[in-house]
Amino acid sequence: KQEVTQIPAALSVPEGENLVLNCSFTDSAIYNLQWFRQDPGKGLTSLLLIQSSQREQTSGRLNASLDKSSGRSTLYIAASQPGDSATYLCAVFHHLNTNAGKSTFGDGTTLTVKP
Amino acid sequence: DGGITQSPKYLFRKEGQNVTLSCEQNLNHDAMYWYRQDPGQGLRLIYYSQIVNDFQKGDIAEGYSVSREKKESFPLTVTSAQKNPTAFYLCASSILSGAQYFGPGTRLLVL
Repeated sequence: KQEVTQIPAALSVPEGENLVLNCSFTDSAIYNLQWFRQDPGKGLTSLLLIQSSQREQTSGRLNASLDKSSGRSTLYIAASQPGDSATYLCAVFHHLNTNAGKSTFGDGTTLTVKP
Repeated sequence: DGGITQSPKYLFRKEGQNVTLSCEQNLNHDAMYWYRQDPGQGLRLIYYSQIVNDFQKGDIAEGYSVSREKKESFPLTVTSAQKNPTAFYLCASSILSGAQYFGPGTRLLVL
């Protein structure tokens, strides 16, 4: 059974700092991996999607990497801002040949960026 | 204006009552999903559907039922068999195995 772990559970940094959020998964037979942002009481906002054949994706100040063989993904946030404060979730989507359509989410990392 | 809508925003359930949560999308996505989120936790998959008139159980399907009669709609019924229904329910859609896009969620509370 696929398990997704996000460490740390919470992170507090001063404004302007670069930071890395971690996501690890136990079964490397994934189709893709997606990073989301969730503000309190709200739905999820998609940040980046990495296909299993890709190593990284970038969007603005965000960069996500994927290493399938080691079961790891990182989300790098450059020059953090108070508006980046939110919970960040990663999700792996199971391979098309098995359990196609199923996804497993981590519990998230809650980020606080202090002004 | 494309997107996913969920209604209602808040829903109250009495003991022994079935309630239905609505999810509609106009993104022309084939796949739709229902997740449950409990405080401080990630999302757990309840049901998903990759095509009209077909759906599969996720990891926590017991006490829930769904239908997929139209591509745009994937309603979730929380039955009286679900003994601990208080949670935040999130609906999502995607092209097959593509990025998932989420609705704003429905918070279900038990009276």
